[in-house]
This record gives sequence, structure tokens and C-alpha cells, in this order.
Amino acid sequence: GDSVTQMEGPVTLSEEAFLTINCTYTATGYPSLFWYVQYPGEGLQLLLKATKADDKGSNKGFEATYRKETTSFHLEKGSVQVSDSAVYFCALSDHRDDKIIFGKGTRLHILP
Amino acid sequence: DVKVTQSSRYLVKRTGEKVFLECVQDMDHENMFWYRQDPGLGLRLIYFSYDVKMKEKGDIPEGYSVSREKKERFSLILESASTNQTSMYLCASSLGWTGGLYEQYFGPGTRLTVT
Repeated sequence: GDSVTQMEGPVTLSEEAFLTINCTYTATGYPSLFWYVQYPGEGLQLLLKATKADDKGSNKGFEATYRKETTSFHLEKGSVQVSDSAVYFCALSDHRDDKIIFGKGTRLHILP
Repeated sequence: DVKVTQSSRYLVKRTGEKVFLECVQDMDHENMFWYRQDPGLGLRLIYFSYDVKMKEKGDIPEGYSVSREKKERFSLILESASTNQTSMYLCASSLGWTGGLYEQYFGPGTRLTVT
């Protein structure tokens, strides 16, 4: 079945460092891909999404490009801030229904 | 702004009690979801509803039931709470019949402890 695999955390970086969180997926067809973020004490919220191959989603300085050839959707940010500390979830929708399949999440700690 | 609210942020119940978790959304969304979130396991779908009085089992429905009598409200019921149901419970909603093209909106979560 469809699945999402993302790097295990926690990931700890210093402020202003470059961030990459890896995400790969397995799906038949052409899924839509998402990154959600969960700040401490809150529910998940959509960070960015891409609906077809080579699309780039971007928001709040974060970017991810839908790479069909490598079945990947890695999250990147050029300069992280302490306020980016959160749990990040990669997810996909295979369009067979309205459900979304989530990865297990990667906890990010940014040190000042 | 879409708002998904959950009835409690923190709940402590005893083993064997019947527990109700309530979720309300204000965006007229067709779909509503209940997940549980556990360290190392991520989000797991318990139940999903795509319309009033309609429900579909998710990946881990055992020990849970749901009720959707009105479009805006989706309740999760633990018939007889057990300690292995101690978890964070997240409710979400989304537009229906889009093939998952649009995002799910999440509530803040209910942290349930069963003692």
C-alpha cells in the first residue's frame, strides 16, 4: 500500500543553519504531497503542498520539490530560527478518497 | 479562518469508564477524522466520516466508536477505556469529494490519560 518514510529525529541545529528533512514515498499513480507542521501544544497545520511532478511548494521560507523520478519531497530551509522548533510531518494523498497518509514525523530543535 | 475545536485539552479517566471526545468544525466541511498520535508511531487514523451518519473504519478502530449526527460535530467514544488508550487524540476536517486535494484542518488535540 501507499506509504511515507521520513527521517527519524530529533534533528538539532543551531539558529541560521541550513535544514533538510528527507521524505520519500511509495504510491501508485500521481499523489499530492504535503508537509504539515505541529508547534508545541497545537494541532497540525499545513505548511506547503505540491500536486504534480516538479511542482515546488513554498511557505515561510520552507521549500519542497515534488521529484517523481526519486519519489521524494524533501523539506528545506536556508536559515532556521528558534521559532521553527516543531514536529514536521510529510504526507500524501493518492486521490482514491479524501484520506491523507502521514509519515511518523520528525522533531526539530533549533538552538539559539 | 477555519476553526476546529475539541471539547477538552486534557482529560483523565479511569479504566472501564465510557469516554466521549467531541469535535466541532465551523467550515461546513463534509469530512471529519479522528487520529491518535503516539511517540514513534506518528498519526494513526481511527475513524473517518464523509457525511452525516456515515462512518468508515481507519487503521486502528478497535476499542473505539464514533457518532456524527450533525455535519459540524464528530464524536469519538471509548466504550470502556483502557490504559493502552492513553494518547493524544486529534480531530480534523476537510472538504469532501476532492480526492484529498485539499488540506485537513486540525483541532488542538485532547491529551487523554487512562489510569
